[in-house]
Formats: sequence, C-alpha cells, structure tokens
Amino acid sequence: QKEVEQNSGPLSVPEGAIASLNCTYSDRGSQSFFWYRQYSGKSPELIMFIYSNGDKEDGRFTAQLNKASQYVSLLIRDSQPSDSATYLCAVNPLGDKLIFGTGTRLQVFP
Amino acid sequence: GAVVSQHPSWVICKSGTSVKIECRSLDFQATTMFWYRQFPKQSLMLMATSNEGSKATYEQGVEKDKFLINHASLTLSTLTVTSAHPEDSSFYICSAPDRGSSSYNSPLHFGNGTRLTVT
Repeated sequence: QKEVEQNSGPLSVPEGAIASLNCTYSDRGSQSFFWYRQYSGKSPELIMFIYSNGDKEDGRFTAQLNKASQYVSLLIRDSQPSDSATYLCAVNPLGDKLIFGTGTRLQVFP
Repeated sequence: GAVVSQHPSWVICKSGTSVKIECRSLDFQATTMFWYRQFPKQSLMLMATSNEGSKATYEQGVEKDKFLINHASLTLSTLTVTSAHPEDSSFYICSAPDRGSSSYNSPLHFGNGTRLTVT
C-alpha cells in the first residue's frame, strides 16, 4: 500500500527560528511532491511543490527532496506565529492520484 | 484570489435528507475535479474523481449511490450526499488541478470546503 508518513507533532518552535517538517513516502516511483498548509477549520492551501532532487526555495520556505532516501522536507525560516498550522505532505505516485500524509501540527510561540 | 469556489461553506441538515455541494473553477476550465472528505484530526481522504462529460470514478469503500457526483460543465462539479446520516458529518473539500492541467502531477487548488452536520 502506498503511504505517506509524517510526525503528527506538535512541533513547537520559538518565533524567528527555523521549523523543519519531514515526510517519508513508500512508493519509489513517486514523481511529484507537495506541501500544503491547513489552518484549523479551513481547507488546505498550496505552499510549495517540488519535482526534482535537491532544494527549492520560495521566500521563507525551502522544500528539500531526496528520492534515494524517499523523503521530502519543508523548512520554514524566521517562523512566525501566523505559521502555526498543520502542514500536509502530499505525494503523487507514478501516474496515480495524490496521497496525503496525516500532517504535522506546527506551533510557533512568541 | 481563490481559483476554486465551493458552496455552501457550512450546512446543517436532518437525517434522511439530501445535501448538494457545488464546486466551481473560476476563470479556467477543469475537466477533472477531486472530492475529498476530512474527519476531525485526520488527513484528507479522496472520495472520487469527477470527470467532465463522463461518470465519476469512486475510491474503494465510497458508495456511489450515496455520494452522487455530477460534472456537467467544464467549470462546475456537484456532490450530493443523499439520505444523509450523522456519520456523514464531515468536512467536504473539492479541488481542481492547476489551470488547464489534467495531470496528476499538477498542484491542486482547493475550495474552501463545506462543513456538513447531520442531526
């Protein structure tokens, strides 16, 4: 069974610190990888996507992909209390539908 | 701004009644839309793939006669929960692939979701 795993958290970091969120996946043939942010009671919103090994940066966010080790991570620099949310990792196995992890709850405290 | 509009945002209905949820793509055509359900503190579970002009594809364990999906136009998909029961109470969210794409590799844009409460 194809799976996407995340630590449920909560991950607590102080304001201004770097938050590191990790995700592992089981299907080695997966091609695309997404990070979504979901505030309580709201629908997910796309933060980043990455297709190739390495790092991809967008503002305070950096996605890192390592296909050999089958993990993808999201770094949030200069974390703000407004970043407090659940972060969902989503993976696209080859030619198949998106599979979501259960999410990691991030808490940024002032 | 939002690229996918979902309506209503919340609904309360009595057991045995039916509820229709609409999902519209704004300013772009979506031949494919996805319907998800999310129970409290759980992740998104794909219910079905809505295909414009053809039958929806349902995931294993999802009753197609209970969750009716219609994708009659390139910008509108509807989910009707028929004969709703309290166990159907959940957060229903639709999504569409990035503009103009039908690829599974494309990012998804989500509607704001519909919180259904069946009493």
